[in-house]
Amino acid sequence: GAGVSQTPSNKVTEKGKYVELRCDPISGHTALYWYRQSLGQGPEFLIYFQGTGAADDSGLPNDRFFAVRPEGSVSTLKIQRTERGDSAVYLCASRMVGSDTQYFGPGTRLTVL
Amino acid sequence: SQQGEEDPQALSIQEGENATMNCSYKTSINNLQWYRQNSGRGLVHLILIRSNEREKHSGRLRVTLDTSKKSSSLLITASRAADTASYFCATDGPNSGYSTLTFGKGTMLLVSP
Repeated sequence: GAGVSQTPSNKVTEKGKYVELRCDPISGHTALYWYRQSLGQGPEFLIYFQGTGAADDSGLPNDRFFAVRPEGSVSTLKIQRTERGDSAVYLCASRMVGSDTQYFGPGTRLTVL
Repeated sequence: SQQGEEDPQALSIQEGENATMNCSYKTSINNLQWYRQNSGRGLVHLILIRSNEREKHSGRLRVTLDTSKKSSSLLITASRAADTASYFCATDGPNSGYSTLTFGKGTMLLVSP
Protein backbone atom coordinates (compact mmCIF):
# COMPACT_ATOMS: atom_id res chain seq x y z
CA GLY A 1 0.00 0.00 0.00
CA ALA A 2 0.92 3.66 -0.13
CA GLY A 3 3.43 5.04 2.31
CA VAL A 4 3.36 8.30 4.21
CA SER A 5 3.03 11.25 1.86
CA GLN A 6 3.84 14.89 2.50
CA THR A 7 2.99 18.00 0.54
CA PRO A 8 4.48 20.19 -0.69
CA SER A 9 7.90 18.60 -1.17
CA ASN A 10 9.47 22.04 -1.16
CA LYS A 11 8.19 25.35 0.16
CA VAL A 12 9.92 28.69 -0.16
CA THR A 13 8.44 31.58 1.77
CA GLU A 14 9.36 34.99 3.04
CA LYS A 15 10.07 35.91 6.62
CA GLY A 16 6.86 36.74 8.46
CA LYS A 17 4.57 34.64 6.25
CA TYR A 18 2.28 31.80 7.31
CA VAL A 19 2.80 28.26 6.01
CA GLU A 20 0.95 24.96 6.21
CA LEU A 21 2.57 21.59 5.71
CA ARG A 22 0.45 18.52 5.12
CA CYS A 23 0.95 14.87 6.05
CA ASP A 24 -1.05 11.85 4.86
CA PRO A 25 -0.21 8.88 7.06
CA ILE A 26 -0.43 5.24 6.14
CA SER A 27 -4.08 4.18 6.20
CA GLY A 28 -5.08 2.76 9.55
CA HIS A 29 -2.10 4.16 11.46
CA THR A 30 -3.45 5.86 14.56
CA ALA A 31 -0.22 7.46 15.72
CA LEU A 32 1.27 10.38 13.79
CA TYR A 33 4.47 12.31 14.47
CA TRP A 34 6.08 15.51 13.25
CA TYR A 35 9.84 15.97 13.37
CA ARG A 36 12.12 18.77 12.21
CA GLN A 37 15.58 18.15 10.80
CA SER A 38 18.16 20.89 10.40
CA LEU A 39 21.18 20.49 8.15
CA GLY A 40 23.71 18.06 9.58
CA GLN A 41 21.47 17.05 12.48
CA GLY A 42 19.17 14.18 13.26
CA PRO A 43 15.40 14.65 13.31
CA GLU A 44 14.02 16.38 16.41
CA PHE A 45 10.59 15.56 17.76
CA LEU A 46 7.91 18.24 17.53
CA ILE A 47 4.50 16.72 18.27
CA TYR A 48 2.77 13.35 18.51
CA PHE A 49 -0.89 12.57 17.83
CA GLN A 50 -2.80 9.53 18.98
CA GLY A 51 -5.99 9.68 16.96
CA THR A 52 -7.28 13.25 16.82
CA GLY A 53 -5.62 14.51 19.96
CA ALA A 54 -2.09 15.71 20.56
CA ALA A 55 -0.66 13.23 23.05
CA ASP A 56 2.60 15.15 23.39
CA ASP A 57 3.43 18.59 21.98
CA SER A 58 6.47 19.21 24.14
CA GLY A 59 8.76 19.47 21.12
CA LEU A 60 7.05 22.47 19.54
CA PRO A 61 9.63 25.27 19.85
CA ASN A 62 7.19 28.13 20.53
CA ASP A 63 3.60 29.22 20.04
CA ARG A 64 4.15 30.06 16.38
CA PHE A 65 3.96 26.33 15.71
CA PHE A 66 0.67 24.48 15.80
CA ALA A 67 -0.56 21.17 14.40
CA VAL A 68 -3.99 19.60 13.94
CA ARG A 69 -5.39 16.23 13.00
CA PRO A 70 -9.14 16.82 13.02
CA GLU A 71 -10.32 13.45 11.69
CA GLY A 72 -7.53 11.28 13.00
CA SER A 73 -5.92 10.84 9.60
CA VAL A 74 -4.39 13.78 7.70
CA SER A 75 -2.41 16.24 9.78
CA THR A 76 -1.38 19.83 9.08
CA LEU A 77 1.57 21.57 10.69
CA LYS A 78 1.06 25.32 10.77
CA ILE A 79 3.79 27.88 11.27
CA GLN A 80 2.91 31.52 11.81
CA ARG A 81 5.22 34.52 11.29
CA THR A 82 7.96 32.34 9.87
CA GLU A 83 11.56 33.12 10.73
CA ARG A 84 14.76 32.22 8.88
CA GLY A 85 15.60 29.82 11.69
CA ASP A 86 12.51 27.78 10.81
CA SER A 87 14.23 26.64 7.60
CA ALA A 88 14.58 22.86 7.81
CA VAL A 89 13.15 19.61 6.50
CA TYR A 90 9.89 18.78 8.26
CA LEU A 91 9.29 15.05 8.50
CA CYS A 92 6.09 13.22 9.26
CA ALA A 93 5.86 9.62 10.45
CA SER A 94 3.04 7.26 11.31
CA ARG A 95 2.79 4.11 13.38
CA MET A 96 0.18 1.43 13.79
CA VAL A 97 -1.21 0.29 17.14
CA GLY A 98 0.90 -2.43 18.69
CA SER A 99 4.02 -1.64 16.65
CA ASP A 100 7.07 0.38 17.66
CA THR A 101 8.17 1.11 14.11
CA GLN A 102 7.57 4.58 12.70
CA TYR A 103 7.30 4.97 8.93
CA PHE A 104 8.52 8.27 7.58
CA GLY A 105 7.38 10.38 4.68
CA PRO A 106 9.79 12.08 2.25
CA GLY A 107 9.63 15.37 4.12
CA THR A 108 8.91 18.98 3.21
CA ARG A 109 11.93 21.21 2.76
CA LEU A 110 10.97 24.65 4.10
CA THR A 111 13.13 27.62 3.18
CA VAL A 112 12.41 30.98 4.78
CA LEU A 113 14.08 33.85 2.96
CA SER B 1 17.71 17.94 22.58
CA GLN B 2 19.33 14.89 21.03
CA GLN B 3 19.89 11.86 23.18
CA GLY B 4 21.97 9.69 20.94
CA GLU B 5 25.43 10.24 19.63
CA GLU B 6 26.68 8.28 16.65
CA ASP B 7 30.29 7.56 16.11
CA PRO B 8 32.01 8.15 13.75
CA GLN B 9 30.40 11.24 12.23
CA ALA B 10 31.64 10.14 8.81
CA LEU B 11 32.99 6.87 7.45
CA SER B 12 34.55 6.20 4.05
CA ILE B 13 35.19 2.64 2.87
CA GLN B 14 35.59 0.56 -0.28
CA GLU B 15 32.94 -1.74 -1.68
CA GLY B 16 33.11 -5.17 -0.09
CA GLU B 17 34.43 -3.89 3.23
CA ASN B 18 32.42 -3.93 6.44
CA ALA B 19 31.13 -0.74 8.01
CA THR B 20 30.60 -0.36 11.76
CA MET B 21 28.72 2.54 13.33
CA ASN B 22 28.21 3.10 17.02
CA CYS B 23 25.51 4.85 18.99
CA SER B 24 25.36 5.92 22.63
CA TYR B 25 22.26 7.12 24.49
CA LYS B 26 21.42 8.50 27.90
CA THR B 27 18.09 7.29 29.30
CA SER B 28 16.39 3.97 29.86
CA ILE B 29 14.82 2.54 26.71
CA ASN B 30 12.33 -0.06 25.57
CA ASN B 31 13.93 -0.38 22.15
CA LEU B 32 16.52 1.12 19.86
CA GLN B 33 16.06 1.49 16.12
CA TRP B 34 18.37 2.22 13.21
CA TYR B 35 17.25 4.28 10.24
CA ARG B 36 18.86 5.15 6.94
CA GLN B 37 18.47 8.44 5.07
CA ASN B 38 19.42 9.25 1.50
CA SER B 39 20.02 12.83 0.40
CA GLY B 40 18.56 14.39 3.53
CA ARG B 41 14.98 13.32 2.91
CA GLY B 42 12.78 10.47 4.18
CA LEU B 43 14.09 7.94 6.65
CA VAL B 44 13.89 4.21 5.99
CA HIS B 45 13.54 1.88 8.95
CA LEU B 46 16.29 -0.76 9.02
CA ILE B 47 16.05 -2.72 12.23
CA LEU B 48 14.66 -2.58 15.77
CA ILE B 49 16.26 -4.20 18.79
CA ARG B 50 14.48 -4.46 22.12
CA SER B 51 16.09 -3.73 25.47
CA ASN B 52 16.05 -7.42 26.42
CA GLU B 53 17.88 -8.42 23.22
CA ARG B 54 21.63 -8.34 22.76
CA GLU B 55 22.03 -9.00 19.07
CA LYS B 56 19.84 -9.04 15.98
CA HIS B 57 20.44 -9.78 12.31
CA SER B 58 18.66 -8.73 9.15
CA GLY B 59 20.30 -9.62 5.84
CA ARG B 60 23.69 -7.89 5.77
CA LEU B 61 22.87 -5.93 8.94
CA ARG B 62 23.90 -6.91 12.44
CA VAL B 63 22.91 -4.82 15.44
CA THR B 64 24.15 -5.22 18.99
CA LEU B 65 22.82 -3.58 22.14
CA ASP B 66 24.54 -3.19 25.50
CA THR B 67 22.08 -1.61 27.92
CA SER B 68 24.65 -1.53 30.74
CA LYS B 69 26.81 0.77 28.61
CA LYS B 70 23.84 2.43 26.92
CA SER B 71 25.34 1.75 23.52
CA SER B 72 24.56 0.01 20.26
CA SER B 73 26.44 -0.81 17.09
CA LEU B 74 25.32 -1.34 13.51
CA LEU B 75 27.46 -3.51 11.27
CA ILE B 76 26.92 -3.59 7.51
CA THR B 77 28.78 -6.48 5.94
CA ALA B 78 30.05 -6.65 2.36
CA SER B 79 29.11 -3.04 1.71
CA ARG B 80 27.91 -1.79 -1.67
CA ALA B 81 27.99 1.63 -3.27
CA ALA B 82 24.21 1.71 -2.81
CA ASP B 83 24.73 1.64 0.98
CA THR B 84 26.02 5.21 0.77
CA ALA B 85 23.70 7.19 3.05
CA SER B 86 23.37 8.67 6.53
CA TYR B 87 22.55 6.25 9.33
CA PHE B 88 20.75 7.27 12.51
CA CYS B 89 20.01 5.48 15.74
CA ALA B 90 16.81 6.37 17.55
CA THR B 91 15.65 5.49 21.04
CA ASP B 92 12.20 5.65 22.54
CA GLY B 93 13.08 6.83 26.03
CA PRO B 94 10.68 7.51 28.94
CA ASN B 95 9.18 10.68 27.42
CA SER B 96 5.59 10.25 26.27
CA GLY B 97 5.47 6.80 27.75
CA TYR B 98 8.13 5.52 25.35
CA SER B 99 6.06 6.60 22.35
CA THR B 100 8.35 9.17 20.74
CA LEU B 101 11.82 8.76 19.21
CA THR B 102 15.00 10.68 19.98
CA PHE B 103 17.59 10.60 17.22
CA GLY B 104 21.35 11.04 17.19
CA LYS B 105 23.20 13.24 14.71
CA GLY B 106 23.96 10.34 12.41
CA THR B 107 26.91 8.74 10.67
CA MET B 108 27.49 9.62 7.03
CA LEU B 109 28.69 6.50 5.21
CA LEU B 110 30.41 6.72 1.82
CA VAL B 111 31.05 3.45 -0.01
CA SER B 112 33.31 3.83 -3.01
CA PRO B 113 33.19 1.37 -5.94
